[in-house]
Amino acid sequence: DTGVSQDPRHKITKRGQNVTFRCDPISEHNRLYWYRQTLGQGPEFLTYFQNEAQLEKSRLLSDRFSAERPKGSFSTLEIQRTEQGDSAMYLCASSLEKGLAKNIQYFGAGTRLSVL
Amino acid sequence: AQRVTQPEKLLSVFKGAPVELKCNYSYSGSPELFWYVQYSRQRLQLLLRHISRESIKGFTADLNKGETSFHLKKPFAQEEDSAMYYCALRAFGNEKLTFGTGTRLTIIP
Repeated sequence: DTGVSQDPRHKITKRGQNVTFRCDPISEHNRLYWYRQTLGQGPEFLTYFQNEAQLEKSRLLSDRFSAERPKGSFSTLEIQRTEQGDSAMYLCASSLEKGLAKNIQYFGAGTRLSVL
Repeated sequence: AQRVTQPEKLLSVFKGAPVELKCNYSYSGSPELFWYVQYSRQRLQLLLRHISRESIKGFTADLNKGETSFHLKKPFAQEEDSAMYYCALRAFGNEKLTFGTGTRLTIIP
């Protein structure tokens, strides 16, 4: 599968625990995005990277959230001291910076987080 | 700030009937509009974007700047069109997508 890959697909954790999600973008895509989707809502933007640089962060991304893309390839999203309100589907997407397919974001299957 | 509104959460249409999924946006600049679709147990995928001006799976959408709308249309619904549809906007010079809340389309056989 050459699409965007996310791991794990599901994560159940207890309130207060830390969790980390991984996203592997499509190999030639230099832009990577994280979104969060709660029940009945569309995806909401969290942050995005161009190569290894984190260029934009949403106000939704509290201090407990941190995202990295150290080598400009895969990315991780960490949530510290999880709260029940963090329960959601976390989506990763990637895109090209240039060319005809520029600005088309390709999504992964998501990581569903349940905080008990 | 930009906003995307999809007024219908649920829409049921008989097979063979026309389909129209509504999308309105608020944004003062020049937007780029997309329709994404999510079929059952599949990931979110691009259906079409306004700058391509093409028909995908029989669907078309025209950007109407006067009415700030980007409605999705298909003349004859098919059962495989049943899915969740999201309208999304990208503001000029910005890379993030702003999504609507989605419309679940059900095609009745």
